[in-house]
Amino acid sequence: DIQLTQSPSFLSASVSDRVTITCRASQGIRNYVAWYQQKPGKAPKLLIYGASTLQSGVPSRFSGSGSGTEFTLTISSLQPEDFATYYCQQLNNYPFTFGPGTKVDMK
Amino acid sequence: EVQLVESGGGLVQPGGSLRLSCAASGFTFSSYWINWVRQAPGKGLEWVGNIKEDGSQKNYVDSVKGRFTFSRDNARNSLYLQMNSLRAEDTAIYYCARGYYDSLTDTSHLDYWGQGTLVTVSS
Repeated sequence: DIQLTQSPSFLSASVSDRVTITCRASQGIRNYVAWYQQKPGKAPKLLIYGASTLQSGVPSRFSGSGSGTEFTLTISSLQPEDFATYYCQQLNNYPFTFGPGTKVDMK
Repeated sequence: EVQLVESGGGLVQPGGSLRLSCAASGFTFSSYWINWVRQAPGKGLEWVGNIKEDGSQKNYVDSVKGRFTFSRDNARNSLYLQMNSLRAEDTAIYYCARGYYDSLTDTSHLDYWGQGTLVTVSS
């Protein structure tokens, strides 16, 4: 199975900060990575797919990059509604594993 | 509007069985893979498996193989998850999520999710 790691596990930030989350895969997964945002008590929400394509309706302050084994999710200017947990997922090989998540909390 | 609504969760004893349902609306259900994802209390997301548009192919994570079975009824726009031999570690919120293949990027992702249904395995 492909293992995904995320760093950091926890991030304390302020509104307007630039935030970067990294997702690393145990083997190459091309660009078959999606990023999701989850708020407490809610279902995950798709942000980015194909490593860098913004899902319709998602604010442009979110961006993704990477290919192979290293991927990043960047929030260019953190907004109050962005405090949440973020997960990467690989869809290159079964099982479609998720990373352990990165919680973005208010400083 | 695309909607996925899970139901059927509840409290079940270890070794017991439960059947979850996922009712879909707002899209052509028979044209999409559907995935199951679960989340144990306070933990991260775990992909459980998926089922092809016509039900002819199913994929499962190792931890549920032989115990969980996916099925679908495209005439009823419904998906089912039969869970047998349940264990305490199966306690989680279970989500169904639509799988979408994007031809431009040649990649897949889970674009719509239900609100989830809680399964608790405990004596």
